[in-house]
Order: sequence, then structure tokens, then C-alpha cells
Amino acid sequence: NAGVIQTPRHKVTGKGQEATLWCEPISGHSAVFWYRQTIVQGLEFLTYFRNQAPIDDSGMPKERFSAQMPNQSHSTLKIQSTQPQDSAVYLCASSLGGEQFFGPGTRLTVL
Amino acid sequence: GEKVEQHESTLSVREGDSAVINCTYTDTASSYFPWYKQEAGKSLHFVIDIRSNVDRKQSQRLIVLLDKKAKRFSLHITATQPEDSAIYFCAAGGATGGNNKLTFGQGTVLSVIP
Repeated sequence: NAGVIQTPRHKVTGKGQEATLWCEPISGHSAVFWYRQTIVQGLEFLTYFRNQAPIDDSGMPKERFSAQMPNQSHSTLKIQSTQPQDSAVYLCASSLGGEQFFGPGTRLTVL
Repeated sequence: GEKVEQHESTLSVREGDSAVINCTYTDTASSYFPWYKQEAGKSLHFVIDIRSNVDRKQSQRLIVLLDKKAKRFSLHITATQPEDSAIYFCAAGGATGGNNKLTFGQGTVLSVIP
């Protein structure tokens, strides 16, 4: 069991560019979550899926952020027109109903 | 929405002593309370959780207490060791446990002095 896999581990984009982050949940886990972590805001919930269906995206900044889960083996978080304030570590987690298992994160830096 | 406050931003204890981290939450509907540990440069690692149907849970040197009336829960680490040094996050979630979103506290930096 490789755990939750996130790629890339680091991404640097210029302001206004697009960034796509990938997450492969633990096989068989039914829920997939996206969070982001910054020094100032701490850990913030973004969105989650259960059995691939979007359940709650109340934490997603409007307009520029979107997430998909096209199949049970991966989810993507897309940020359009990236801004410096989007710089953060984006964490993906998966769960089978017990604890959430977190991936290593993708550190996004927007210059 | 739910808000979780973690009362100690930093905590320093001597090796072998106990460490206690306290959290409060606002939403009475929250019923799942996990704790995570984050070591420098690493991701979150689950340590222990408690559900609202009990008020105490222990796993080896870790004890979690839950006071639903006060909307307060705490992590007790007994016989601390240097490897316990890390950032600890408390969180609150809904009735479906890990199948629901978590709201995190701001984290407590625990330093265990040898």
C-alpha cells in the first residue's frame, strides 16, 4: 500500500498561469478530500468526493478553482489564472470511513 | 460553519512529563474528533480519534478526552519522548467520521526537551 499519492510534489507557476494537481487515493477508499495549508490560514478544507460524486465544495474559492474525480483512482484540482495568494501546500486525503489518510502534498508557488 | 480553536500555540515539556493540548469547537453537530501529527517538512499523520458516543479513549501513551457539554476535547501525551516533538492538530467532523470534511485547529508546536 503506497498510501495517497500526489503529483507533482512541487510546482512553480507564473501569475496568471494554470496549475493542475493530481491525487491518487488509497485503493478502495470511497472518500477523497482536498485541503490546503498555509502559515497564515492554517489547514483549510476545499472540497470532497464520495464514491466519485462531488459532495461539498464550500471551501473552494469561486471561479478559478475546480476539482474533478473522473474515476475511483484519481482526482484533480485545477487552478486557473493562478495568483500569488494561491501559494500553499495542497493536501489530498482519502478515507474508508475511519481516519483520513493524507498524501505528502503538492507545494504550489505562484511567482 | 464549524470553528475549532486550539488553545496552546506552543507547548514545551521535559522528557517523561505529560503534555496536554486543548481544543474547543462550536458546532453541536460535530461528532468525530481526530488528532494529527505533523513533523517538519512532512504531511499529516493520524494519531488518535474519538467519537461522541464515548468520553475517553486511550491508545498506548495517548489519551483523548471529550466533554460534549463544554464542546471541548483534549489530547494527553503521557511519558513524553523527544520523538513526540512535532505540530499537533485537532479537528472536528460530522457523523460519518472520516467520510466527512474536517475543520482543523491552528496547531500546537510541541517541544519535548531531553
